Amino acid sequence: GENVEQHPSTLSVQEGDSAVIKCTYSDSASNYFPWYKQELGKGPQLIIDIRSNVGEKKDQRIAVTLNKTAKHFSLHITETQPEDSAVYFCAASKYNFNKFYFGSGTKLNVKP
Amino acid sequence: GAGVSQSPSNKVTEKGKDVELRCDPISGHTALYWYRQSLGQGLEFLIYFQGNSAPDKSGLPSDRFSAERTGGSVSTLTIQRTQQEDSAVYLCASSRGTSGYEQYFGPGTRLTVT
Repeated sequence: GENVEQHPSTLSVQEGDSAVIKCTYSDSASNYFPWYKQELGKGPQLIIDIRSNVGEKKDQRIAVTLNKTAKHFSLHITETQPEDSAVYFCAASKYNFNKFYFGSGTKLNVKP
Repeated sequence: GAGVSQSPSNKVTEKGKDVELRCDPISGHTALYWYRQSLGQGLEFLIYFQGNSAPDKSGLPSDRFSAERTGGSVSTLTIQRTQQEDSAVYLCASSRGTSGYEQYFGPGTRLTVT
């Protein structure tokens, strides 16, 4: 099966700085990689995703990069704001498959 | 529109008792997932329903866990003879289907087994 590892487990940055969270996966057949943000007491919410036919995707202050050769993908948040503070999860899946394999999460703290 | 709802939001039960957790997916979503999230951990896949197909139960940790989805909509996760290690947040998600469609998560049910 797939194994997704996520680093770091905690990340503290100053408001306005950038934050980077990295994930690696083991199954070369995985081709869909979503990122979720989970605020306290709520379920995870999709913030950005990337499919294996592209290497980078951006949405305002958030970007995701994918290196299929190295089997790793990263979340980049620029100009961080206090409201970005949350737990972030990466995941990997295959098209037409029903399972999503999640990383263990990164707790991001943005200090004002 | 309404999102995924789960009930109860919190459940405290004694060891050995049975519990039922409910999930109401977004209307029209054919896929439904159950996950378990232990404190400070990632999401552990439990079970998956897609339309009228047989569910994928490969993530259920023991035969004390079971789930049903009636009429392709509401789902119930049942844990029999609860143990303290069952304490966790149980999350439900639904999506329009497979092939990488976005999963929409409910707020979860926090289960505490005393």
